[in-house]
Amino acid sequence: DGGITQSPKYLFRKEGQNVTLSCEQNLNHDAMYWYRQDPGQGLRLIYYSQIVNDFQKGDIAEGYSVSREKKESFPLTVTSAQKNPTAFYLCASRGGGNQPQHFGDGTRLSIL
Amino acid sequence: GENVEQHPSTLSVQEGDSAVIKCTYSDSASNYFPWYKQELGKGPQLIIDIRSNVGEKKDQRIAVTLNKTAKHFSLHITETQPEDSAVYFCAATQGNNRLAFGKGNQVVVIP
Repeated sequence: DGGITQSPKYLFRKEGQNVTLSCEQNLNHDAMYWYRQDPGQGLRLIYYSQIVNDFQKGDIAEGYSVSREKKESFPLTVTSAQKNPTAFYLCASRGGGNQPQHFGDGTRLSIL
Repeated sequence: GENVEQHPSTLSVQEGDSAVIKCTYSDSASNYFPWYKQELGKGPQLIIDIRSNVGEKKDQRIAVTLNKTAKHFSLHITETQPEDSAVYFCAATQGNNRLAFGKGNQVVVIP
């Protein structure tokens, strides 16, 4: 099945730790995105990548980092500098032209 | 940048009735407007979208209308069913192939 896979579904972090969230797609999409969702809020863009080996900051990039070494993978690292990391994290991808974004099923990150 | 507002925040409808959610946007250059449905614990799923060269689009019980002059677009769900209960998000394009999202609308269909 073609789609976007996010893992793990639930993740716990201790204070001062970095954690990495995985996002893999087999849709052959060039563009990939990371969003953060808080209760009662819309989706806020953290980082996005339009092509391999290139990425740009979104609206709330502070405390996060990404890499795009392979077309199918766009991991997000939540660093210890992110003071309020508890949220639902969503990854999306988009094909070329005017194609819509498609989402994975998210990773819920909590602080221990 | 683009600002998308979504109203109402919560909507309760009787099963079989229609539901309408309206979104407004600020950037007249926006040219693509998707609607997503999100169920609890899952990612948003695209349910319908519309481009700025079209005024209305319909897919079975779901339709979207776009008024470019007033800068608003609406989602219409007819003959609502319990499985339509979810959070619905509207979005509009902004620069660099990005989307700006509304804050979501909780739709509750009462059996």
